[in-house]
Amino acid sequence: GQNIDQPTEMTATEGAIVQINCTYQTSGFNGLFWYQQHAGEAPTFLSYNVLDGLEEKGRFSSFLSRSKGYSYLLLKELQMKDSASYLCAVRDSGAAGNKLTFGGGTRVLVKP
Amino acid sequence: KAGVTQTPRYLIKTRGQQVTLSCSPISGHRSVSWYQQTPGQGLQFLFEYFSETQRNKGNFPGRFSGRQFSNSRSEMNVSTLELGDSALYLCASSPGGDLSQPQHFGDGTRLSIL
Repeated sequence: GQNIDQPTEMTATEGAIVQINCTYQTSGFNGLFWYQQHAGEAPTFLSYNVLDGLEEKGRFSSFLSRSKGYSYLLLKELQMKDSASYLCAVRDSGAAGNKLTFGGGTRVLVKP
Repeated sequence: KAGVTQTPRYLIKTRGQQVTLSCSPISGHRSVSWYQQTPGQGLQFLFEYFSETQRNKGNFPGRFSGRQFSNSRSEMNVSTLELGDSALYLCASSPGGDLSQPQHFGDGTRLSIL
């Protein structure tokens, strides 16, 4: 089975940096995804990591360490519109396709 | 390119009834996955269909079933509805062959059981 942990809630100030951690314990690993979900809306894809290291996409970066079962999503130059839930999801290597297990999500509140 | 379309957006049913939800994936996408989202349990995987075959299944009872048509559109059926089935049901599509390609979610169907 899979177990994915991420903090429930984080608060940060506009313009600052926030790091959202995700730890996972899985029977197999075949990729980790980060999604953003605004209240009442569909999740939208942010990043994908399958190898160790940092992936950078504009203000968002994601890091993966497979040996530690650890990932983080880094949000820089925070804007008010970044207030949302951030979901970490792991794909099981034992499954042939897209079986994703999601963490509970981290709600980020950006304050002026 | 049109996104993932789910219908209906809202549904109200009573216990014991059954319901069918529909999902039209992004054009060219052959994989469709279904998820249940509730405040208590978060996003939970129901099943995935690829080329009209169920490729993966989550840990939900047999009352939850699905199918996929030759045009990749998918339906999900829940029979003998229970109060605990009240949730947002999300559908996500992806090309399916290259697993590095992310899933794209629809806006969901919000199902309320009275």
